[in-house]
Amino acid sequence: DIQMTQSPSSLSASVGDRVTITCRASQYINSNLNWFQQRPGKSPKLLIYRASSLQSGVSSRFSGSGSGTDFTLTISSLQPEDFATYYCQQTDTTPRTFGQGTKVEI
Amino acid sequence: EVQVVESGGGLVKPGGSLRLSCVVSGYTFSSAWMTWVRQAPGKGLEWVGRIKGKTDGETTEYAAPVKGRFIISRDDSKNTAFLQMNSLKTEDTAVYYCIPHWAYWGQGTLVTVSS
Repeated sequence: DIQMTQSPSSLSASVGDRVTITCRASQYINSNLNWFQQRPGKSPKLLIYRASSLQSGVSSRFSGSGSGTDFTLTISSLQPEDFATYYCQQTDTTPRTFGQGTKVEI
Repeated sequence: EVQVVESGGGLVKPGGSLRLSCVVSGYTFSSAWMTWVRQAPGKGLEWVGRIKGKTDGETTEYAAPVKGRFIISRDDSKNTAFLQMNSLKTEDTAVYYCIPHWAYWGQGTLVTVSS
């Protein structure tokens, strides 16, 4: 199975900050990567697919980059509603493994 | 608007069985590859398995922890997917999500395995 490792596991930030979360795959996955946001008590929400494509309806302050094994999710200017947990997921092979999550806190 | 509604969760004893259902509307269900993902309380997301569409042979794949115990099936006439869970263990306690496309998640259904 492909292992997905996110860093950091948690971070503290303030409104307006630029935030970067990294995700590393244990083997080559091309650009087959999703990013999700999960707010407390809610279902996950797709933010980015194919590593860098913004899902319809998602704010442009979210962006994704990378290919191969190393990926990043960037929030350009953190807003109050962005405090949540973020997960990467590889869609290259089954099982479609997720990262362990990154909790973004105030 | 796409709607995904899971049901069938509840409390079950270790070794027991439970069948979850997932009804999808507003989406071309027959061609969708239906995926199940679970989330244990306070933990991350775990891919459980999926079933391909009829034109792709309705092939199923499972994660190692559930292989041989869980069975995914579908009824395209009712836009419904199922997750049959047998020989349940305490570590199967989680919210189970059904996903026709990574952009569309339901609210999930909670399964608690406890004596």
